[in-house]
Amino acid sequence: ETGVTQTPRHLVMGMTNKKSLKCEQHLGHNAMYWYKQSAKKPLELMFVYSLEERVENNSVPSRFSPECPNSSHLFLHLHTLQPEDSALYLCASSQGGAGGEQFFGPGTRLTVL
Amino acid sequence: AQKVTQAQTEISVVEKEDVTLDCVYETRDTTYYLFWYKQPPSGELVFLIRRNSFDEQNEISGRYSWNFQKSTSSFNFTITASQVVDSAVYFCALSEEGGAQKLVFGQGTRLTINP
Repeated sequence: ETGVTQTPRHLVMGMTNKKSLKCEQHLGHNAMYWYKQSAKKPLELMFVYSLEERVENNSVPSRFSPECPNSSHLFLHLHTLQPEDSALYLCASSQGGAGGEQFFGPGTRLTVL
Repeated sequence: AQKVTQAQTEISVVEKEDVTLDCVYETRDTTYYLFWYKQPPSGELVFLIRRNSFDEQNEISGRYSWNFQKSTSSFNFTITASQVVDSAVYFCALSEEGGAQKLVFGQGTRLTINP
């Protein structure tokens, strides 16, 4: 595997379900990110992890819970979501520090029924 | 506060035409970085270019070129002799110096190249 991978690519869940999105980067980067992309809004930064420490939580509801066990893996745990949470969730990684480009995964298309 | 504006929501041109995508940014920092990303229908954002605020040289890469003008806070992207494969959503983004890098994206421009 190369670059940034995300699983699953598609997920349909009910409002009472609990699921997790997984992201893995094979680039040796030390920063990872979760973004949300919906039809109504541009790309919104949700969380930033740098050296496995959360450094940014962009006013995201608590029903989204990130986890970064090491510099290569990032999870987004989902519980009691709402239909308006349906969106494309994108993971990215970068070499931390100013100016480094972020490399994105293919995203997980989430539908909440 | 940082802000990126892509005023063109959708552009449609015929193949082989030249097309320019506009990007205007706002920042209070003197050191910052500008990016363009391409998002094809598959969904994955593809990095195209990065410029730092101290380098106003225009850049050309094949059919792609970028015009960075600090005086007008603009970082425009031109595709010359467009092709159907250029059809995608293009995002301009900005990040400022310091800390974990936060990218602020514009709303995106959906470009359709018709055969």
